[in-house]
Amino acid sequence: GQQLNQSPQSMFIQEGEDVSMNCTSSSIFNTWLWYKQDPGEGPVLLIALYKAGELTSNGRLTAQFGITRKDSFLNISASIPSDVGIYFCAGRRFSGNTPLVFGKGTRLSVIA
Amino acid sequence: ETGVTQTPRHLVMGMTNKKSLKCEQHLGHNAMYWYKQSAKKPLELMFVYNFKEQTENNSVPSRFSPECPNSSHLFLHLHTLQPEDSALYLCASSQDEAQYFGPGTRLLVL
Repeated sequence: GQQLNQSPQSMFIQEGEDVSMNCTSSSIFNTWLWYKQDPGEGPVLLIALYKAGELTSNGRLTAQFGITRKDSFLNISASIPSDVGIYFCAGRRFSGNTPLVFGKGTRLSVIA
Repeated sequence: ETGVTQTPRHLVMGMTNKKSLKCEQHLGHNAMYWYKQSAKKPLELMFVYNFKEQTENNSVPSRFSPECPNSSHLFLHLHTLQPEDSALYLCASSQDEAQYFGPGTRLLVL
């Protein structure tokens, strides 16, 4: 089945550092979504991308929909302790209420 | 608060018990989903409902039985589960594109 390759699997960074993670696929996607999940909670939508090349920000977070439509990245600037969590990418190949494909997540740890 | 609520948040059950998980969305969405999240595995899609009709059953064992009485409510009925079914069960809803998740039910099967 469909797979998204998300990397890195985990990261340990100092507070204040910038973070970058990405997701790649062998197939073209129409939609890319980035979620954050805190322990014991459901994933929370951070950013949604709908067009190739689109660059969208949400506070200190910035995500881009790759030009090839086969990848996306998420950057976090000036990390803070509450950025700790697991970040998931998700993609949808077709429009509408079709299932999402999820990456395995990037576990982010921030050292104060 | 994402507009999707799930109850209970935690559940412990024996292999012979029958229980139900409930999900409610207050977003006016027309699609609802059940996912299973186990440790160190990607989110696994279980069921999809569009306008109350089941449109996807991702080879889920029959001991999991979904029910969608209306577009705002989704249930997952559980019976004779196995210990390997212990996981976080997430409900989500969507209107065309982005999915919004509930907080999940942490299930432990003994």
